[in-house]
Amino acid sequence: AQKITQTQPGMFVQEKEAVTLDCTYDTSDQSYGLFWYKQPSSGEMIFLIYQGSYDEQNATEGRYSLNFQKARKSANLVISASQLGDSAMYFCAMRGGLKTSYDKVIFGPGTSLSVIP
Amino acid sequence: GAVVSQHPSWVICKSGTSVKIECRSLDFQATTMFWYRQFPKQSLMLMATSNEGSKATYEQGVEKDKFLINHASLTLSTLTVTSAHPEDSSFYICSAAGPKVRTEAFFGQGTRLTVV
Repeated sequence: AQKITQTQPGMFVQEKEAVTLDCTYDTSDQSYGLFWYKQPSSGEMIFLIYQGSYDEQNATEGRYSLNFQKARKSANLVISASQLGDSAMYFCAMRGGLKTSYDKVIFGPGTSLSVIP
Repeated sequence: GAVVSQHPSWVICKSGTSVKIECRSLDFQATTMFWYRQFPKQSLMLMATSNEGSKATYEQGVEKDKFLINHASLTLSTLTVTSAHPEDSSFYICSAAGPKVRTEAFFGQGTRLTVV
């Protein structure tokens, strides 16, 4: 079965500093996609970054980068130069490719990030 | 990114009545739609996955007769909470995606359901 683990329920970071949010996953699929979403207090889900299982390079999107270590099944999100507006819940998600789990997008428990001025 | 519109954003209903929530993909054809439920300060729990024109696949523990999902077109999916009870009160959020693993899911704004 597919599973995502985020071991940090809550994180604090000083404004302008970098922060790493951890994500590990478990899947028997060979082809899968990993995503990070941000959910502010308003409830909307905001897509941040994507990493494919066959991508050789780590994904980057502006201040967001994904530290993908396939052998360790980890996909940590790095936010550089934190801003006050980064305070939110962050979810790691995975979409698999097996027939039985095709199309499923499952989420980890989330990490609450607070940026301190 | 693509736009997914979910309606209504909030609803209050009486116990025993049914509530329908709509999820529309406005600018792309969503071959797959997902429905999630989220309790306060918790993660999104996948309820069901639906592909256009076929029956939804429900996750274990989700009552099919309670949560009716229809995905009649590539742009519209609906979730109907039948005979709602206070314990059904929650935040329901839909997402739409294309057919490939690489495609991220785009989310609606969510619906906050309160059953009184």
